[in-house]
Amino acid sequence: DIQMTQSPSSLSASVGDRVTITCRASQDISNYLAWYQQKPGKVPNLLIYGASTLQSGVPSRFSGSGSGTDFTLTISSLQPEDVATYYCQKYNSAPLTFGGGTKVEIK
Amino acid sequence: EVQLQESGGGLVLPGGSLRLSCAASGFTFSSYAVSWVRQAPGRGLEWVSTIGGSDGSTYYADSVKGRFTISRDNSKNTLYLQMSSLRAEDTATYYCAKRRIPGGSAFDCWGQGTLVTVSS
Repeated sequence: DIQMTQSPSSLSASVGDRVTITCRASQDISNYLAWYQQKPGKVPNLLIYGASTLQSGVPSRFSGSGSGTDFTLTISSLQPEDVATYYCQKYNSAPLTFGGGTKVEIK
Repeated sequence: EVQLQESGGGLVLPGGSLRLSCAASGFTFSSYAVSWVRQAPGRGLEWVSTIGGSDGSTYYADSVKGRFTISRDNSKNTLYLQMSSLRAEDTATYYCAKRRIPGGSAFDCWGQGTLVTVSS
């Protein structure tokens, strides 16, 4: 099975900072990669699918890139409401594996 | 408005069984693959199982294969997860989730979750 590895597992940044989270697949998954945001105590929310397509209603400060095995989620200017754990997920075929998550906090 | 609402969670003894339900509304349920995803307390997301929309094909994580059974009743717009031989490590909030398009893609809608606790 394909493994999904996220890094870092946590980060602390200041408001306005550019934040980058990476996700690596153990095999080529083309662009079948999604990013989710889960705020504390809340349900996961889809941010990006197809590695780089922003889900409707998601702020434009979020962006995704990559294909094959290496992917990136970028928050261009971190806001207080972005405090959350972020997960990547492969969805080309079962198992629909999630990455381990990246917890983002404000410094 | 697309909505998913889970029910059926609770406290169960190790080795016991439980059936979760997920009531769907606001979309053509029979056309979409739907899934169960769980999250143990303080842990990350774990995909559990998916059932296809048109063909009803089923898929399971290795951790639940042979113990859990996913099914759907399209006449009732309801998804099920029959869980048996439950273990302490199955303790988690269980979410149902809908794929973004009928053919697949990411999960664009999630229920609020139902908590399953396996403990003596």
